[in-house]
Amino acid sequence: EAQVTQNPRYLITVTGKKLTVTCSQNMNHEYMSWYRQDPGLGLRQIYYSMNVEVTDKGDVPEGYKVSRKEKRNFPLILESPSPNQTSLYFCASSPQRGAYNEQFFGPGTRLTVL
Amino acid sequence: GQNIDQPTEMTATEGAIVQINCTYQTSGFNGLFWYQQHAGEAPTFLSYNVLDGLEEKGRFSSFLSRSKGYSYLLLKELQMKDSASYLCAVKGAGNNRKLIWGLGTSLAVNP
Repeated sequence: EAQVTQNPRYLITVTGKKLTVTCSQNMNHEYMSWYRQDPGLGLRQIYYSMNVEVTDKGDVPEGYKVSRKEKRNFPLILESPSPNQTSLYFCASSPQRGAYNEQFFGPGTRLTVL
Repeated sequence: GQNIDQPTEMTATEGAIVQINCTYQTSGFNGLFWYQQHAGEAPTFLSYNVLDGLEEKGRFSSFLSRSKGYSYLLLKELQMKDSASYLCAVKGAGNNRKLIWGLGTSLAVNP
């Protein structure tokens, strides 16, 4: 089944404890992106990647890191999480070619930083 | 600046028709998407418009007027499962696939 997977789905952690949220897609998509979604603020892009070893900042990159060593994986790293990073996170991917370039979203990771 | 406006909330009755509007002001335009998002779940793709006019897909239709910076999503024969948030997103200029997202319209379908 074509899908984007994220792990973990739920995480409660404490301030300053490094964490990684994994994202993997099995559709051979070139483009991948991380979003956070907060009430009243909508979806905001954190980082995106156009292809392997190519990453760039989105609208809210502060406090986050990403890497794209393989086409299928795009982990999101929080080196020192803070409470303002409590949010619902989505990974998404889309193909390079095609009329729509629609984005396919993972199921989401609900992160709470205490 | 870049901006997308949608109504925050709408209510409708099962079996009825509802129209959700979206207006946008963006620097560049390469298409407009509608996504559906149920509470706590991921957004899922509904429609894409890049040319003016109406695109029909089953119970859902989407309309675009580029000159007016305006789109709407039309949902017919509403069902309870259509209760969700509907997100309008515009693909701006450039090759980076960046989408500018509206805040979404929360639709409640009542029996």
